[in-house]
Amino acid sequence: NAGVTQTPKFQVLKTGQSMTLQCAQDMNHNSMYWYRQDPGMGLRLIYYSASEGTTDKGEVPNGYNVSRLNKREFSLRLESAAPSQTSVYFCASSEPSGINEQFFGPGTRLTVL
Amino acid sequence: DAKTTQPNSMESNEEEPVHLPCNHSTISGTDYIHWYRQLPSQGPEYVIHGLTSNVNNRMASLAIAEDRKSSTLILHRATLRDAAVYYCILRDVGGTYKYIFGTGTRLKVLA
Repeated sequence: NAGVTQTPKFQVLKTGQSMTLQCAQDMNHNSMYWYRQDPGMGLRLIYYSASEGTTDKGEVPNGYNVSRLNKREFSLRLESAAPSQTSVYFCASSEPSGINEQFFGPGTRLTVL
Repeated sequence: DAKTTQPNSMESNEEEPVHLPCNHSTISGTDYIHWYRQLPSQGPEYVIHGLTSNVNNRMASLAIAEDRKSSTLILHRATLRDAAVYYCILRDVGGTYKYIFGTGTRLKVLA
C-alpha cells in the first residue's frame, strides 16, 4: 500500500497564478483533510471531507477550494496564489470511527513569489 | 474546540526516559487525547491516544491525570530517531473528526 500520496512534491508559483494540489489514498478511508504548515508552526486545517460528497471549511479556508473527486481523491485548488500561501501542504486521511488515526502524506512545498 | 498547552522545546539524553507534558484544562468528557509526532521533513504520524486510563503501546505510554486536565507522553528510552515535534491534540468523539494542532514540543535528543 502506498498510503497517502501527494503531487507535486515542490512547486513555485508567481502571484496570481493558479494550481491544484492532488492527494490520493489507497486505504479506503472515508475522511480526508488538507492542512498547511508555515515555518515553525503547527498544522492548520484548511478544508476537510468527512465522507465522499461532502466538504467543510477548517480554520483557514480563505483563498482555497477543494474537490472530493471520489473516495480516493481530494484536491486543493489555489485560484489566485498569494505570497501568504507559501507553505508546506499536507493531505491526510482517516476512518472516522474508533481511533480515527490520521495518515499523512509527505507534503507539497509551495513557494509563491 | 478545547485547546492544549505544551512546552516549546525539551532536551533528553539518549537512552533515558522522556516525559512530555500537555495541559488541557478545558477538556470535555467526550474528548480523546491524541499524540502525534512529526519527524523532520515528514508529515505527522500517530503515536498514541487515550480517554481516561493510562495506555501503552510499542512506541510510548500515555499517562492521564485523574481529572483529565493534563497528560504526559512517556518515551521509555529516547533514541536519536525520536527527535521530532510532538503534538498533543484533543478530539471530540461526538463531533467532527478534525484535529486542532498546536505548536507542539520540539524534542532534542542528545547523543
